Amino acid sequence: GQNIDQPTEMTATEGAIVQINCTYQTSGFNGLFWYQQHAGEAPTFLSYNVLDGLEEKGRFSSFLSRSKGYSYLLLKELQMKDSASYLCAVRRDNAGNMLTFGGGTRLMVKP
Amino acid sequence: EPEVTQTPSHQVTQMGQEVILRCVPISNHLYFYWYRQILGQKVEFLVSFYNNEISEKSEIFDDQFSVERPDGSNFTLKIRSTKLEDSAMYFCASQRLRGPNEKLFFGSGTQLSVL
Repeated sequence: GQNIDQPTEMTATEGAIVQINCTYQTSGFNGLFWYQQHAGEAPTFLSYNVLDGLEEKGRFSSFLSRSKGYSYLLLKELQMKDSASYLCAVRRDNAGNMLTFGGGTRLMVKP
Repeated sequence: EPEVTQTPSHQVTQMGQEVILRCVPISNHLYFYWYRQILGQKVEFLVSFYNNEISEKSEIFDDQFSVERPDGSNFTLKIRSTKLEDSAMYFCASQRLRGPNEKLFFGSGTQLSVL
């Protein structure tokens, strides 16, 4: 089977840093995506990793370790608008461009 | 920025009725997808479509489901005889090319409620 695990919920304070972890066990790997999803809205693309290491994009960074089946999304200088669900998704190399999503991590940012 | 548009935003139907969910992918995109998200659950892949045919489908995408690109712009998902468990948010997505750096753009979704 395909397993993608993330914490269900996290809480952090405005201005702080938060790290959202994702572990995966999939048959094949061709990249890991992070999406942000506000309640009732579509997922929006945040980042993509296919090689090991850190990808930085403004306040958001994503890290991948393929040997450990592990990724994290790092959010810096948290803002209230960052309160959303963060979805980890894996593209498996034997499944074309189909993404397999984790259950998402609901992040609540408090003042 | 160009976006994927979906209509309607909400659809209410009676069990056993047929529904058609409509999507207009981004104009220069070649790969099209339907995903769904049951309330409180994870986003699930349904089907991918390229060059006027289905390229992949999940076990969810049974004979009750079909997809079509009836013209050069629309991409539709039809559910032939809806069941209560089909109630979900249905997201259309598109992608320009097939490749490791290509990202998926999602529409804002159609909330389907089957009564």
